[in-house]
Amino acid sequence: ETGVTQTPRHLVMGMTNKKSLKCEQHLGHNAMYWYKQSAKKPLELMFVYNFKEQTENNSVPSRFSPECPNSSHLFLHLHTLQPEDSALYLCASSRLGTDAQLGYGYTFGSGTRLTVV
Amino acid sequence: DAKTTQPPSMDCAEGRAANLPCNHSTISGNEYVYWYRQIHSQGPQYIIHGLKNNETNEMASLIITEDRKSSTLILPHATLRDTAVYYCIVVYGGSQGNLIFGKGTKLSVKP
Repeated sequence: ETGVTQTPRHLVMGMTNKKSLKCEQHLGHNAMYWYKQSAKKPLELMFVYNFKEQTENNSVPSRFSPECPNSSHLFLHLHTLQPEDSALYLCASSRLGTDAQLGYGYTFGSGTRLTVV
Repeated sequence: DAKTTQPPSMDCAEGRAANLPCNHSTISGNEYVYWYRQIHSQGPQYIIHGLKNNETNEMASLIITEDRKSSTLILPHATLRDTAVYYCIVVYGGSQGNLIFGKGTKLSVKP
């Protein structure tokens, strides 16, 4: 266990469904992130939350909607997805600071494997 | 953030040292070099990071050249469980810039 927990581990959904992915961390971190990893492609940064405020949205389609109610929880709400959205969705957290050495990097969860049918 | 260049794949014999190179010729003075690895279908795992001095921890050593334009990650005694994709990432340190992944190096440790 890394300290970042993602649920569910696997999800199959139809294109008309609405579902949510959940991420939870108890590491005392104050920044959280969603990444997408499609087959044979590098990880893509989707959303960044610093101190519960969204600071980055990397041109992600509106069918993906993030929510960060507090520094320990992060959600990704999904609706009307397309088959090409099938991927591994990874959550990560980190501790922000004025020096990268304060954070010792990101901690990732194990991901949710999403299949859109 | 500076861009990095890594070989797409490398092989290493079990028990031998694995030396993974990374070029980051456009790195600036306040950018750190981070290394992560991703074992198949798992989330990436932090390995080590450094600014300009060589660093060592229980997992690996990081050697950064004096001009900081390249670095080498060293796994001193590779095991089969070290088979993974290894990512070298340059990150702005002032506000802990975002982690942007490239394609990395697929390391295969063979018996």
